[in-house]
Amino acid sequence: EIVLTQSPGTLSLSPGERATLSCRAGQSVSSNSLAWYQQKPGQAPRLLIYGASTRATGIPDRFSGSGSGTDFTLTISRLEPEDFAVYYCQQYGSSRFTFGPGTEVDIK
Amino acid sequence: QVHLQESGPGLVKPSETLSLTCAVSGYSISSGYYWGWIRQPPGKGLEWIGSIYQSGITYYNPSLKSRVTLSMDTSKNHFSLKLSSVTAADTAVYYCARRAVYSGSYCFDYWGQGTLVTVSS
Repeated sequence: EIVLTQSPGTLSLSPGERATLSCRAGQSVSSNSLAWYQQKPGQAPRLLIYGASTRATGIPDRFSGSGSGTDFTLTISRLEPEDFAVYYCQQYGSSRFTFGPGTEVDIK
Repeated sequence: QVHLQESGPGLVKPSETLSLTCAVSGYSISSGYYWGWIRQPPGKGLEWIGSIYQSGITYYNPSLKSRVTLSMDTSKNHFSLKLSSVTAADTAVYYCARRAVYSGSYCFDYWGQGTLVTVSS
């Protein structure tokens, strides 16, 4: 099983600032297998990015994904008030899914 | 628009079987896609439980495989989860979701709102 770790655990920023979230895999994974989700309190996760760098339908272009191998990054270029949430990375391989523990982006 | 809705008991006794159903609207589950279950213990992260295809093909999280059964009823356009021998550690919000493949990338694109299942006597 491929283990995903995310850092930092919590990111405290102000609206308008840039957020950089990291997701690291325990072994090299295909970029195709990496996705990112946003989850707000009391809501289901929402797909943001798939294939490491492709935005899902309706996702604003301030969200971008990058990376390959074992290191992946989600960047939010300028934080809007609605972006304060928990973000999870997800990997698919060997017919199974694993999720990272999440990064909380909260208001400084 | 695809819509998923979980339903089932919110309280299950230890050692019993948790049973949930996910009703799908806006898309016929017999038309394709895998359909899955993901859970989230209170205050914690997401854990994939398993996925099922219309043909009956299933994939399970190895850590839960011995206790999980997924099934699908295409006539009712819903799919179901059974988790046996539950303990307090199975207390979680359970989500159903559609597994999509975009340009070879596997992810969950539509999710239900989730249902909290508490395991307690």
